[in-house]
Amino acid sequence: KAGVTQTPRYLIKTRGQQVTLSCSPISGHRSVSWYQQTPGQGLQFLFEYFSETQRNKGNFPGRFSGRQFSNSRSEMNVSTLELGDSALYLCASSRSRGADTQYFGPGTRLTVL
Amino acid sequence: GESVGLHLPTLSVQEGDNSIINCAYSNSASDYFIWYKQESGKGPQFIIDIRSNMDKRQGQRVTVLLNKTVKHLSLQIAATQPGDSAVYFCAENVYSGGSNYKLTFGKGTLLTVNP
Repeated sequence: KAGVTQTPRYLIKTRGQQVTLSCSPISGHRSVSWYQQTPGQGLQFLFEYFSETQRNKGNFPGRFSGRQFSNSRSEMNVSTLELGDSALYLCASSRSRGADTQYFGPGTRLTVL
Repeated sequence: GESVGLHLPTLSVQEGDNSIINCAYSNSASDYFIWYKQESGKGPQFIIDIRSNMDKRQGQRVTVLLNKTVKHLSLQIAATQPGDSAVYFCAENVYSGGSNYKLTFGKGTLLTVNP
């Protein structure tokens, strides 16, 4: 069974631009969560989508948003990029919600110049 | 503050030795814990998990121990190999209201295996 895939793997943007990242979950998984990973803050939860609805949200500004499609694929968008948004963005999928194992993709490395 | 933390940021062991990575958590209501391994340039890889109704769980070369009394979690790797070199994260599934749970990660421990 194919794992979680994320595209693109690397991205370079400049301040003020916006970016969209894509995540395809493991087949049969309906929950998709997004995380930001930085050396200073570690792995931080952004949001979770299930059945095309955002179910849970972390402590990030409204510039960070996402959506989920009927096939469970998910996208996240960051608008008005700031230098501090440079990070590895990770997507994780699980079969359902709650105490269910999350499996991670390889991540998208975003660099904001 | 962060609810999940690691006692040691780095651990260096000799190939063939056993490794123990520790983790402390502060939320006594957490009912599910996971260990992930992250190699350079890759996403976290699931290693093993344990639910709060268990004290110990074994996998292939790995064992997770859960001590709810002192809110402590450990990952034991037997006969550590160079391929085990990575950052190891413990994660705690924290209930955040309604039907919502949030995975909260520790900072990670860098394990280096010397040949």
